[in-house]
Amino acid sequence: SAVISQKPSRDICQRGTSLTIQCQVDSQVTMMFWYRQQPGQSLTLIATANQGSEATYESGFVIDKFPISRPNLTFSTLTVSNMSPEDSSIYLCSVGGGDTQYFGPGTRLTVL
Amino acid sequence: AQTVTQSQPEMSVQEAETVTLSCTYDTSENNYYLFWYKQPPSRQMILVIRQEAYKQQNATENRFSVNFQKAAKSFSLKISDSQLGDTAMYFCAFMKPLGSGTYKYIFGTGTRLKVLA
Repeated sequence: SAVISQKPSRDICQRGTSLTIQCQVDSQVTMMFWYRQQPGQSLTLIATANQGSEATYESGFVIDKFPISRPNLTFSTLTVSNMSPEDSSIYLCSVGGGDTQYFGPGTRLTVL
Repeated sequence: AQTVTQSQPEMSVQEAETVTLSCTYDTSENNYYLFWYKQPPSRQMILVIRQEAYKQQNATENRFSVNFQKAAKSFSLKISDSQLGDTAMYFCAFMKPLGSGTYKYIFGTGTRLKVLA
């Protein structure tokens, strides 16, 4: 299994600003995933981040809005840019390992 | 494209009783994995149980077991002797290996389970 931490755990931001969410894993992993979970909803995959390559974005998500960094095998960041109230959500980092996916505790973002 | 359907948005069960959560999926793949994840109100997603499609035997983890019907593309979760701590949102998930150690996951919409005292 993998232990995943995220920072910040929650934040309240103003419209038009940006927030960078950090994800730290206690072991080296190839694949890291970023999900969005809107209130009471399921998880929607934003992008997959592999170390040493550009992140792969799902339909409806673009790099300008959600830039991702993956500088090494234990760390990734997701930035939510130019935020609007529609970006209010929980953002989850997860890692794939051994054919199973493990999740971080999430970052609860509220945009005013 | 793969889809995962959870037809029960909410369920409740009395403590100590048994409850079954349903999940169906659609795929043309033969090699895949299925999961049930639990998300308590604290929101940390926790893996409950996992099933490899090539295994005919249903997976079991203590009070949690699955009924995997590959031909019917059904993957239900049975919780026996329900406990108050089982109150959570339960997500069914499908995973397809893409090769080179990469995967694609698809999640259902979830079933909110409430265990009543």
